[in-house]
Amino acid sequence: AQRVTQPEKLLSVFKGAPVELKCNYSYSGSPELFWYVQYSRQRLQLLLRHISRESIKGFTADLNKGETSFHLKKPFAQEEDSAMYYCALAIYNQGGKLIFGQGTELSVKP
Amino acid sequence: DVKVTQSSRYLVKRTGEKVFLECVQDMDHENMFWYRQDPGLGLRLIYFSYDVKMKEKGDIPEGYSVSREKKERFSLILESASTNQTSMYLCASSLTRAGDEKLFFGSGTQLSVL
Repeated sequence: AQRVTQPEKLLSVFKGAPVELKCNYSYSGSPELFWYVQYSRQRLQLLLRHISRESIKGFTADLNKGETSFHLKKPFAQEEDSAMYYCALAIYNQGGKLIFGQGTELSVKP
Repeated sequence: DVKVTQSSRYLVKRTGEKVFLECVQDMDHENMFWYRQDPGLGLRLIYFSYDVKMKEKGDIPEGYSVSREKKERFSLILESASTNQTSMYLCASSLTRAGDEKLFFGSGTQLSVL
């Protein structure tokens, strides 16, 4: 079955600390994974996708097919990183629909 | 910039009412989606459409239906609203091309069913 799991509901760190938001997936095909972010009172928006291998706002994510994971990392968290983060998996043969995880709320304290 | 517009930011309805949630996108996207967003459950796909007059069930279609008569508009219908349909509803659109599944989201409709 296709599934995305984010085991942490809430992650609280201090400013300047490293942060890692966990994401595990279950999919029989070749995975296409994304991280979406929703800042307070803003729309959900794409943060990054694994195929681009890009770093956005200091965040990176590496696809580990062996561990079926796509964890989001940032070496030094900032207060403005506080938001809701969702990991998502694209299903190519079903119109490009995305399956989302449960979300992790990141709180960065001063 | 792609714009996905949801007609209402807040809606309050009574149990048993028929409810229409409207969504319009202005970038000629083929795919459109309806999700509901609940704390602890994340985003769950209700229905999606990859072409005009086409629709596919998502993971939680029960109690909902959709309509896509024009490419830019995708409507979510609650035939008989119930209290467990109180939620934030998000509409999204995307291009079909493989590797381009970036979703553009609307600002959401917070529906309360009393």
